[in-house]
Amino acid sequence: GQSLEQPSEVTAVEGAIVQINCTYQTSGFYGLSWYQQHDGGAPTFLSYNALDGLEETGRFSSFLSRSDSYGYLLLQELQMKDSASYFCAVPGGYQKVTFGIGTKLQVIP
Amino acid sequence: NAGVTQTPKFQVLKTGQSMTLQCAQDMNHEYMSWYRQDPGMGLRLIHYSVGAGITDQGEVPNGYNVSRSTTEDFPLRLLSAAPSQTSVYFCASREQGNTEAFFGQGTRLTVV
Repeated sequence: GQSLEQPSEVTAVEGAIVQINCTYQTSGFYGLSWYQQHDGGAPTFLSYNALDGLEETGRFSSFLSRSDSYGYLLLQELQMKDSASYFCAVPGGYQKVTFGIGTKLQVIP
Repeated sequence: NAGVTQTPKFQVLKTGQSMTLQCAQDMNHEYMSWYRQDPGMGLRLIHYSVGAGITDQGEVPNGYNVSRSTTEDFPLRLLSAAPSQTSVYFCASREQGNTEAFFGQGTRLTVV
């Protein structure tokens, strides 16, 4: 089976940096994805890490350590519009993607 | 380019009623799937399909049926609605070999 753990809530100040962690247990590992979901909206894809290391896309970066079964999403220069839920996910082959419960990020002025 | 389109956006059903949630994608993606989202539970996979005529069960398939007669459409059928099926349902599609999944806007279903 597959399971993921991530914090349920995080609060951060506008302009600051926040890190959302994700640990996983999987029977087969293909990589770690991150999705963003605003309240009432659909999840949207942010990033995917297949190999160890840091992937940067603008203000967002994602990190993976396969040996530690651990990854994180780093959001820099936080903006109010970044307030959303962030899900880590592991694909298990075909469409059997397992999602974490999501981390609700609140950005405060 | 519409992406993934789900209908209806909102639905209220009485216990025991049946209905079909529609999902259509115009990106020619091979893979399609249905998830339900409940508070504190994340997204849970109900059924998925890797191509027309091929479907399989996910994590929580009981009470739901699917079929995939075309690449574009992947409807989800609730056979006999129960209050436990009150949830937000998302359809997603993905291109074979690509990790990015595209989600529809969701169907908010309430069973009373």
